[in-house]
Amino acid sequence: GAGVSQSPRYKVAKRGQDVALRCDPISGHVSLFWYQQALGQGPEFLTYFQNEAQLDKSGLPSDRFFAERPEGSVSTLKIQRTQQEDSAVYLCASKSGSGTDTQYFGPGTRLTVL
Amino acid sequence: KQEVTQIPAALSVPEGENLVLNCSFTDSAIYNLQWFRQDPGKGLTSLLLIQSSQREQTSGRLNASLDKSSGRSTLYIAASQPGDSATYLCAVRRGQGGSEKLVFGKGTKLTVNP
Repeated sequence: GAGVSQSPRYKVAKRGQDVALRCDPISGHVSLFWYQQALGQGPEFLTYFQNEAQLDKSGLPSDRFFAERPEGSVSTLKIQRTQQEDSAVYLCASKSGSGTDTQYFGPGTRLTVL
Repeated sequence: KQEVTQIPAALSVPEGENLVLNCSFTDSAIYNLQWFRQDPGKGLTSLLLIQSSQREQTSGRLNASLDKSSGRSTLYIAASQPGDSATYLCAVRRGQGGSEKLVFGKGTKLTVNP
């Protein structure tokens, strides 16, 4: 596709529910990143994949957060037993493996936990 | 731990004015620095990327400078227009060999008044 796409764009969950957020990176992009952006804050790193390998998951705030990219393209960020503090915009970015450092961001998924 | 600070948090200027946004970072061992623009409800758009060996980058009315030793970068916007109204984010990537994650500041919200 022309850019990074994310779905759903908006998600409302009741506290305790599990959610799954999807990211479709730019075709052929090797690296994929997840960031969490709370209201009025800058994005904060969650995790990073190179192809299907998860190379850095140091930003995942708890073991309720899990990310996967099984075939090296589409990625899913799963949050189990959602809490109110999980409410944020979840941004996905992808980067080509060849020579450029620019990360291309999707529009984000706004998660609201009631 | 790398920390990125952006000053001011918000800025309101009349159309046509030249302006400077500031970014500082605590660890000078960076690989590159990027400036992004974020419009409400949308993802991030990369504006300029400066490698650690470079001093500045220019694109149209935008000019970004980098002083790695002092941990500072500035984004200069010439002849501002109402369409420049957005939040501007600065992000640094750690030195080569480390994770490719970006560390963001909280952003400067710019309003350009007609």
